[in-house]
Amino acid sequence: TQLLEQSPQFLSIQEGENLTVYCNSSSVFSSLQWYRQEPGEGPVLLVTVVTGGEVKKLKRLTFQFGDARKDSSLHITAAQPGDTGLYLCAETGFQKLVFGTGTRLLVSP
Amino acid sequence: DAGVTQSPTHLIKTRGQHVTLRCSPISGHKSVSWYQQVLGQGPQFIFQYYEKEERGRGNFPDRFSARQFPNYSSELNVNALLLGDSALYLCASSLLLAGGTTQYFGPGTRLTVL
Repeated sequence: TQLLEQSPQFLSIQEGENLTVYCNSSSVFSSLQWYRQEPGEGPVLLVTVVTGGEVKKLKRLTFQFGDARKDSSLHITAAQPGDTGLYLCAETGFQKLVFGTGTRLLVSP
Repeated sequence: DAGVTQSPTHLIKTRGQHVTLRCSPISGHKSVSWYQQVLGQGPQFIFQYYEKEERGRGNFPDRFSARQFPNYSSELNVNALLLGDSALYLCASSLLLAGGTTQYFGPGTRLTVL
């Protein structure tokens, strides 16, 4: 069974700071997705990465997929309170998503 | 367009009882998946249904069952509730069954078992 570990588990920062969260696997990902989940809501897809070494940008968010496709990172530049939430990575299997343990981010004004 | 809807929003049950959770997918989506999210963890896959047939099952006991109706809505049933069943139950819909198809999640049903 694929194990996805995310680090750190919890991050509390001030508005304007930069941060990076990580997602690591015990084996090679087929493809990887990043989600953000806000309290009282379901996860919302941010990005899908497929190719080793791939880099995708979504405004202030930069997603990297490791060359060996066993790890991924999410970097947020100049964090804002609206970035607060639970960040989840997930491997996309044929029938299901296998989620990581999550990183809970709190951005204070 | 309406997103994935789930009902009820919150539910409180006692041990041993039975619960039914409901999900309406996005219009046109034929696949519905159910996930359990225990506090502080990522969601775990329970079931996937496509065209009214079960297409995938996670590592959950037989107390968990589900079905999909002709209009593609779905129910998740849990019998003989245990304290450990307390969680957020998420429903996700997608257009197709194939991997890589984007899944859209509903807001979830928060189940508390006392």
